[in-house]
Amino acid sequence: QKEVEQNSGPLSVPEGAIASLNCTYSDRVSQSFFWYRQYSGKSPELIMSIYSNGDKEDGRFTAQLNKASQYVSLLIRDSQPSDSATYLCAVSHTGNQFYFGTGTSLTVIP
Amino acid sequence: GAVVSQHPSWVICKSGTSVKIECRSLDFQATTMFWYRQFPKQSLMLMATSNEGSKATYEQGVEKDKFLINHASLTLSTLTVTSAHPEDSSFYICSAETGTYNSPLHFGNGTRLTVT
Repeated sequence: QKEVEQNSGPLSVPEGAIASLNCTYSDRVSQSFFWYRQYSGKSPELIMSIYSNGDKEDGRFTAQLNKASQYVSLLIRDSQPSDSATYLCAVSHTGNQFYFGTGTSLTVIP
Repeated sequence: GAVVSQHPSWVICKSGTSVKIECRSLDFQATTMFWYRQFPKQSLMLMATSNEGSKATYEQGVEKDKFLINHASLTLSTLTVTSAHPEDSSFYICSAETGTYNSPLHFGNGTRLTVT
């Protein structure tokens, strides 16, 4: 079983809609959870970190964490064409080991 | 803060030559840096974990004699692709974490290597 699993997509949403990206992880001792955005041909950039159960909001982005279900998600409200990218979920146990999902490709259709 | 600088951003080399890629943490000290490789439309693949002052830890299937990693200081790690071949053409990305509890990974801008 992979450490971190994501639906590879592609996920398509119309402009202005909510995009929902999901991620599950296998190790219950995981402590830190991150979402990265990667545009084609570019390196990943951090967009959200979450460490405790519940929701964390930053602008149009909301990260949700449910440790009991070993599930973390990212919601993008009012999706824009510029949000079209691959979104990577990452999980860390001890701070010097990071596990990445394979990424979900998102396309926002104008 | 937490800026990682990677150079060069792209390089073209001839088959059989070696290429060095530098990764620097500009505003923090990075005890550990990570080197990834990514082929087109594929996911990140961890190549090795670089620890300051000690030998790198390579992932299974990554040739340590081909991909030489040196982490001589707390702000600099280098990856040297030796005797490069066309199949080594890829996007190489370094990353580092600040070492504070729960800190994320910060990525360099990546190096696109093309071996002709």
